[in-house]
Amino acid sequence: QSALTQPASVSGSPGQSITISCTGTSSDVGRYNLVSWYQQHPGKAPELIIYEGSKRPSGVSNRFSDSKSGNTASLTISGLQAEDEADYYCCSYAGSSTYVFGTGTKVTVL
Amino acid sequence: EVQLVESGGGSVQPGGSLRLSCGASGFIVSSNYMTWVRQAPGKGLEWVSVIYRGGSTNYADSVKGRFTISRDNSKNMLFLQMTSLRAEDTAVYYCARDLDIDTGAFDLWGQGTMVTVSS
Repeated sequence: QSALTQPASVSGSPGQSITISCTGTSSDVGRYNLVSWYQQHPGKAPELIIYEGSKRPSGVSNRFSDSKSGNTASLTISGLQAEDEADYYCCSYAGSSTYVFGTGTKVTVL
Repeated sequence: EVQLVESGGGSVQPGGSLRLSCGASGFIVSSNYMTWVRQAPGKGLEWVSVIYRGGSTNYADSVKGRFTISRDNSKNMLFLQMTSLRAEDTAVYYCARDLDIDTGAFDLWGQGTMVTVSS
């Protein structure tokens, strides 16, 4: 199972919006509406921020949203804040009780 | 408090074995879908294994035949038995809870336990 492809890094200024892409295949991202997104600060465990098509766990800011087109899912962070500086990972169900994560994107707030 | 706490990590030689534990509090492990995810130093996340409420299991190809996921319902704990360890198994291992079957929405994570495979 190959990892989903994400850009290595994305940056933006405070208040701006940024988008992180997550490209898979017709066997994972393109087949299932089961992409989730995780935020990971250095030395910390990942935290779920988006799942099953724009659902957000309680307490997660509505500045995080996602979309999907074909084999590519995208996470948008609106109104970028300093606390958003972290690594972000997508994850997709890949069928047959397996999952695949993205390669990860480092977000830098300028 | 709802939480997961991993333990059992450490250093082991190639070919060796290690058993990771994940203690849960605030919820029942056997009533949930539980998974292990690992992260090699400086690298991304990699899904490792899942155990369903009914007890069925599955594994990533990279660990199939070497790792075994299990749980102890009486202790409310999750385990990962790792054998024939390789250098590429070196990683922080996290246990996590899936919100529902086959969603990949891991809403609760432990703090992780480090496994180092080296001679």
